[in-house]
Amino acid sequence: AQRVTQPEKLLSVFKGAPVELKCNYSYSGSPELFWYVQYSRQRLQLLLRHISRESIKGFTADLNKGETSFHLKKPFAQEEDSAMYYCALGIIQGAQKLVFGQGTRLTINP
Amino acid sequence: DTGVSQNPRHKITKRGQNVTFRCDPISEHNRLYWYRQTLGQGPEFLTYFQNEAQLEKSRLLSDRFSAERPKGSFSTLEIQRTEQGDSAMYLCASSRGAATNEKLFFGSGTQLSVL
Repeated sequence: AQRVTQPEKLLSVFKGAPVELKCNYSYSGSPELFWYVQYSRQRLQLLLRHISRESIKGFTADLNKGETSFHLKKPFAQEEDSAMYYCALGIIQGAQKLVFGQGTRLTINP
Repeated sequence: DTGVSQNPRHKITKRGQNVTFRCDPISEHNRLYWYRQTLGQGPEFLTYFQNEAQLEKSRLLSDRFSAERPKGSFSTLEIQRTEQGDSAMYLCASSRGAATNEKLFFGSGTQLSVL
């Protein structure tokens, strides 16, 4: 069965501190992993995807197949990073069906 | 706003009533998805369309749920004989391009409350 686990429902860090949001997945096929973000009063939107290997808003995420993880990291948190973050597993079968984790609410304290 | 549009934003209904939600995707997006999100959980995939064809509906929660996308444009999601457990946020997303490169654009959702 496909599953995504985000062990932290809430995460609070101070501005300028490093941030790591954890994500573990379970999938027997070749995984495609994403991070989606929802800022206050905004729509759910794609932050980054592992195949792009890019840094968005200072965030990066590395797929570790051995540990079945896709943790999201940022070296220096900013107040505007406060949001709800969802890790998602993409099951590509003609279309991109996503299995989401429960989400982590990140709060950056000034 | 040229993004994905969902109506209504909120719907309050009594148990046993039927409800219908509408989603207007971004123009020229050929794929349209429906997700459901309950409190404290991430979105859960329900069904998707490629143009007007509904290619997967196995995740629709029961036979009370049905979705259509006539003419491959807007889509509707209907819930018959609503139950309190149907209370949730119903999200629509659209995309285009190859599945391996597609980017989903989500709407603001329809919040359903069943009393």
